[in-house]
Amino acid sequence: SQQGEEDPQALSIQEGENATMNCSYKTSINNLQWYRQNSGRGLVHLILIRSNEREKHSGRLRVTLDTSKKSSSLLITASRAADTASYFCATVPAWAGNNRKLIWGLGTSLAVNP
Amino acid sequence: NAGVMQNPRHLVRRRGQEARLRCSPMKGHSHVYWYRQLPEEGLKFMVYLQKENIIDESGMPKERFSAEFPKEGPSILRIQQVVRGDSAAYFCASSPRETGELRLFFGSGTQLSVL
Repeated sequence: SQQGEEDPQALSIQEGENATMNCSYKTSINNLQWYRQNSGRGLVHLILIRSNEREKHSGRLRVTLDTSKKSSSLLITASRAADTASYFCATVPAWAGNNRKLIWGLGTSLAVNP
Repeated sequence: NAGVMQNPRHLVRRRGQEARLRCSPMKGHSHVYWYRQLPEEGLKFMVYLQKENIIDESGMPKERFSAEFPKEGPSILRIQQVVRGDSAAYFCASSPRETGELRLFFGSGTQLSVL
């Protein structure tokens, strides 16, 4: 079953603004990942944050993880029209062991208006 | 270094026909995952395979659906006697052989339309 839940479901901003998306999950995790999906395309891995990390940066992306609240946020700074896409969080549960399976959220649809 | 290749990109079938979706993982990847996605929805896990083995098929309907990943050749997701409800985008993803952090590489998907 899906354990991630992204918030908001949809977000519309102007180019140059920052976009923040949140992800909550239910069980303890090994790591949490964010993926982007452009319309009609497959998902692209953006960033991975381990359970013992609190913050990670990659270019204009900043991810935070709060394991006590079982939540993560993805911040995209200085957004561009090309950032328009759906963003998904996925977790590797701590119980998974060698079962290499990601648990997916339902996604946030981001629209960046020129 | 080709990525994950899926074909066909679009597949149209009439009710009752069979659909065969192919996925060639990235070079060096021996783990394959199939997902289904309906419009405005997230990914639904279907099946996880390694070469010649089905590891987890808990997300796959018991009837009409099957998957394989033979020693040679692509992974195949097979849907027999398709119904309109099977219309969806089907994505394949692969991950490397070595242990470590799981990170998936996705294909561009097959859009299945059942008439």
